[in-house]
Amino acid sequence: DQQVKQNSPSLSVQEGRISILNCDYTNSMFDYFLWYKKYPAEGPTFLISISSIKDKNEDGRFTVFLNKSAKHLSLHIVPSQPGDSAVYFCAATINTGNQFYFGTGTSLTVIP
Amino acid sequence: DVKVTQSSRYLVKRTGEKVFLECVQDMDHENMFWYRQDPGLGLRLIYFSYDVKMKEKGDIPEGYSVSREKKERFSLILESASTNQTSMYLCASSGTGANQPQHFGDGTRLSIL
Repeated sequence: DQQVKQNSPSLSVQEGRISILNCDYTNSMFDYFLWYKKYPAEGPTFLISISSIKDKNEDGRFTVFLNKSAKHLSLHIVPSQPGDSAVYFCAATINTGNQFYFGTGTSLTVIP
Repeated sequence: DVKVTQSSRYLVKRTGEKVFLECVQDMDHENMFWYRQDPGLGLRLIYFSYDVKMKEKGDIPEGYSVSREKKERFSLILESASTNQTSMYLCASSGTGANQPQHFGDGTRLSIL
């Protein structure tokens, strides 16, 4: 039973435009959310996170938004660059536990 | 920087063999994890460990076992490899406490022939 869902397997965006990647979750106990970026033949690298006490967290070109009532989070990349082309995974966890739950990933292609 | 090292990037084994995948982390993290990544299925947790000699089953433990004899090392064992265990295997570690992300190794691409 998938507790974290990424319903878009792929996304293409022009360089310089905004990329918006979406993620939905079902478990209302989740209180910490993360985004990872993965290039082919490499492990995922941590990108940005947000605690459930916030609704927005920003780090340079990357912003994560959390809507707890809708059980939805999104990652905005502005402006998008060709080097951002990768698979993006969202993940969620309960901070008192050890287990992380990952979505199935969205493959982002930024077209030069 | 956290370093998680997986012993092999690519591995080819035969059906029925016993296969060992090794993972070492250098940040004194309590928690270590093994995932497999398959197209369209994302990352699925096989086993995790929150302390030396402790282990917990994840979502897909069947056909696998793990060993954690030292804090920095977490081994995944395929007792009798089968072709449906061909996959990308990812090891991760994390500290305890609030807001601790997982840090991943570069993965082992395992092919079972």
